[in-house]
Amino acid sequence: QKEVEQDPGPLSVPEGAIVSLNCTYSNSAFQYFMWYRQYSRKGPELLMYTYSSGNKEDGRFTAQVDKSSKYISLFIRDSQPSDSATYLCAMKVGGSQGNLIFGKGTKLSVKP
Amino acid sequence: GAVVSQHPSWVICKSGTSVKIECRSLDFQATTMFWYRQFPKQSLMLMATSNEGSKATYEQGVEKDKFLINHASLTLSTLTVTSAHPEDSSFYICSARIGEETQYFGPGTRLLVL
Repeated sequence: QKEVEQDPGPLSVPEGAIVSLNCTYSNSAFQYFMWYRQYSRKGPELLMYTYSSGNKEDGRFTAQVDKSSKYISLFIRDSQPSDSATYLCAMKVGGSQGNLIFGKGTKLSVKP
Repeated sequence: GAVVSQHPSWVICKSGTSVKIECRSLDFQATTMFWYRQFPKQSLMLMATSNEGSKATYEQGVEKDKFLINHASLTLSTLTVTSAHPEDSSFYICSARIGEETQYFGPGTRLLVL
């Protein structure tokens, strides 16, 4: 079993839809959870950063972490064509030694 | 958010030449920087961790003599692909870490070796 599992999609939704992106993980020591957005031929851009369990909201984006289920989600409300990109989840154990472990990324397409 | 730059953004070179890629943290100091490689439709693959003032730590399977990393200051790390071959063609991305958790990525460098 891989440490981080993420459905690669592709996921296609109409403009204005609510998008749900998910990752599962196996390492219960992960404490820090991030979502990155990567446009084609660009570097990943940090969208959301969450420590431990709970929800975090930033504009149209909401990140959820359920440590008991080892499951994290990113919700995008009122999706726009400009949201079309690949979304990568990433997570890390605490401290300076652990590296970020990435999911494979989910390719999202928002159709106008 | 913090800004990380990379130069050049793309490079085409002949087989056998060496290519240097620079990664800079523009508005913060980074004791730790990372170099990744990404093939089309794949996720990022960590190549090495670069710590300022010390030798880089390479991931298993990454040739340290092939991919030379120098982290001479708190805002600059360089990756040199020595004697590049067509199989080294890829998208190389650096990142810089703030504190112990948050990593910010550069825009990437596309390398094509002919």
